[in-house]
Amino acid sequence: GENVEQHPSTLSVQEGDSAVIKCTYSDSASNYFPWYKQELGKGPQLIIDIRSNVGEKKDQRIAVTLNKTAKHFSLHITETQPEDSAVYFCATRGDGNKLVFGAGTILRVKS
Amino acid sequence: DSGVTQTPKHLITATGQRVTLRCSPRSGDLSVYWYQQSLDQGLQFLIQYYNGEERAKGNILERFSAQQFPDLHSELNLSSLELGDSALYFCASSVYSSSSPLHFGNGTRLTVT
Repeated sequence: GENVEQHPSTLSVQEGDSAVIKCTYSDSASNYFPWYKQELGKGPQLIIDIRSNVGEKKDQRIAVTLNKTAKHFSLHITETQPEDSAVYFCATRGDGNKLVFGAGTILRVKS
Repeated sequence: DSGVTQTPKHLITATGQRVTLRCSPRSGDLSVYWYQQSLDQGLQFLIQYYNGEERAKGNILERFSAQQFPDLHSELNLSSLELGDSALYFCASSVYSSSSPLHFGNGTRLTVT
């Protein structure tokens, strides 16, 4: 079945620096790649997503890049702020409608 | 606020018992998904319903069952509970399409003692 690997599992950055989280997937049929942010005591919140026909998408300080040939996609957060501290999950969706999630990355932004 | 409502927020029960978790999807969303989140397993897909019908099944135990009602709310039933069932259970909803995003509720934290 579909498998999504996410790295790193934890990431500490200084406020103002950039953070990059990477995911690789196994299913060639994957066509939708969302990223979720989960804060303590809350459910995952969609922060950005990308379809397979697009290589890059940006929304203010957040960007996602997709390399379908290599089957990997990445989340880039620039000018990190303390409120960016959370757990980030990548996910993919191929045939069918379910999302398969990576294991998550704990991001800590130190001020 | 995602618009997905889950109740209760917390549930503490004993082994062997049965519980029901409830989910109201966002207005207009026809599809409901259930996920289990535990420390060692991450977010695991359990089951999906669309407009009252089961559409996909993941790693859902036989002791667990779900349904979606005509008003589109969904319930997840967990029976013969074991200590290992302690986890966060999330409901998500979407408009059913291959590229529509999922929106998650804030979950129900189940503790089995």
